[in-house]
Amino acid sequence: RKEVEQDPGPFNVPEGATVAFNCTYSNSASQSFFWYRQDCRKEPKLLMSVYSSGNEDGRFTAQLNRASQYISLLIRDSKLSDSATYLCVVKVRGYQKVTFGTGTKLQVIP
Amino acid sequence: GAGVSQSPSNKVTEKGKDVELRCDPISGHTALYWYRQSLGQGLEFLIYFQGNSAPDKSGLPSDRFSAERTGGSVSTLTIQRTQQEDSAVYLCASSLGETGQYFGPGTRLTVT
Repeated sequence: RKEVEQDPGPFNVPEGATVAFNCTYSNSASQSFFWYRQDCRKEPKLLMSVYSSGNEDGRFTAQLNRASQYISLLIRDSKLSDSATYLCVVKVRGYQKVTFGTGTKLQVIP
Repeated sequence: GAGVSQSPSNKVTEKGKDVELRCDPISGHTALYWYRQSLGQGLEFLIYFQGNSAPDKSGLPSDRFSAERTGGSVSTLTIQRTQQEDSAVYLCASSLGETGQYFGPGTRLTVT
């Protein structure tokens, strides 16, 4: 089993729709979690950290489910500019090295 | 403040030549990472540095790859005797503590 798994997509959604991605991780010692977005031929950019209590930043909501070992990202009122690949990142307690998922591609359609 | 910078932004080299890629992390960030990404593929971890600790080189694909980090700041990734399969975007990132990583714009390496 891969350390971090994501559905590669693509997820094609109309503008204004709500879309959610999940990311599962295998190491129960994982402690820190992040979502990044990567635009075509650009570097990944940190979107948000994922806290145990869940957190929200505008239209974006991230949640952590430790029991089932997954994190999720919810995007409300999708915009064309949200089209990108979304990468989840997991960091194990006590280690600086992180593991990136291979990403979920989102295409928001007019 | 200034983000992570990398140079050069593009590098075209002939097979068999050596190349050096440079990364300037965010000031004060103790951790520095190198990744590479081939077109349409995910990130491939290469190496990371954490403070004065020995680097984690577990991701380096062969002994042609090496990296240094001088004075806890600037890092150089060196690829000796480049091969065509080394063609990729090489990304550097830095972080501090439990924060996420911040990436530089990458160096696009093309080996002809």
